[in-house]
Formats: sequence, structure tokens, C-alpha cells
Amino acid sequence: ETGVTQTPRHLVMGMTNKKSLKCEQHLGHNAMYWYKQSAKKPLELMFVYNFKEQTENNSVPSRFSPECPNSSHLFLHLHTLQPEDSALYLCASSLASDNEQFFGPGTRLTVL
Amino acid sequence: AQSVTQPDIHITVSEGASLELRCNYSYGATPYLFWYVQSPGQGLQLLLKYFSGDTLVQGIKGFEAEFKRSQSSFNLRKPSVHWSDAAEYFCAVAIYGNKLVFGAGTILRVKS
Repeated sequence: ETGVTQTPRHLVMGMTNKKSLKCEQHLGHNAMYWYKQSAKKPLELMFVYNFKEQTENNSVPSRFSPECPNSSHLFLHLHTLQPEDSALYLCASSLASDNEQFFGPGTRLTVL
Repeated sequence: AQSVTQPDIHITVSEGASLELRCNYSYGATPYLFWYVQSPGQGLQLLLKYFSGDTLVQGIKGFEAEFKRSQSSFNLRKPSVHWSDAAEYFCAVAIYGNKLVFGAGTILRVKS
């Protein structure tokens, strides 16, 4: 695998389910990001991790819980989501000292 | 607050015609600027970036962009559009740390 990978690519869940999104980067980067992309809205930064430490939480509801066990992996744990949380969730990575971010293909999430 | 404006939500051009996508930013310091492209169902791919130096930057796929400080603009251009260029294009500015602020995107349609 090369670049940034995300699994699953598609996810349908009910409002009472618990699921997790996974992101893995194979670029030797040390910063990772979660973004939310909704229809007709700009890309929204959710979380930033630098060297496994969370450095940014952009007022994200607690039903989204990120986890970064090491510099190569990033998870987004989901529970009791709302239909308005349906969106494309994009993961990205970069060097912490660099602004150039590399994106994964995204997970298309639908909350019923 | 820092912001990025892409005035055109949709643009349609004929194959072989020239293209210009507009981007204006609001940021107090010297900006780091980016253009990304997103094909349907895919993540974002970096086309080009401006950090400093020559204000005309060359990118992949035959794209270029010009930084104009006096107009707070970073417009993307291509002299001859191909059908495969149909996608959504995002302009972004890097603010403090490694945080990016994105514009709302411009959807490019190419007609044959």
C-alpha cells in the first residue's frame, strides 16, 4: 500500500450503532488529520494530531472520538450519530513541519 | 478571520479551451497557498502550491497558478482543458501551524 488509505470506503449505520473509521499512512509523516466534507459546505477540519498528540479539536461533538496510537494510524470512533453527520470523512497526513497534506480517498458515511 | 473564497460554484468550458478558476484569500501574513483537485468518490490531490519566490507556480497535469498579493488572489489556469480535467477544485490557505482553510470548491464541467 502506498500513500494514505482509509477503511471502510462506505459505511451505513444506525443512530444507535458504534463504528470506527480507520486511516493509515505509508509516507513517514508525523501529523494526521480528520476532515468532514458535507454537500455544499467547505471542507471542515475536525482534529489534528502531531506526533500522536492531539493539537486541534475544532469544536467537534463528543460523539466523534479520535484515536492516534502511532504516527501511522488514525481512528475515528463513532457512536450515537445523527443523520446530519452523514458526509465524506477524509483523512490526511503531512510532516508536522510542513503544510502540504496528502489525502486518503475518504469514507462515505450514511447515518440512518 | 482567515478565509478563502472561490466565487464560482460551477464552471463549464469546452474541451481545448482555456480555463481560469478564481481564488481570493483573507490572511494577514504571507500566505502559503494550495490548489487541490477532487474527482468523484476520491480524496484530494495536490495540484500545486505557493510558499514564496516566483509568483507563477507550475503544477501537475499542465496547471499553473499566479499569486497576486495586491489582489489577494491565487487563480488557477490551464491553457487547454481535457475532458479528464472535469472534477472539483479547491483552493486552500495554510494558517498557523499545519492547519489548512479551504474554499467551498469550484465544480468544473468539460463539454466536448
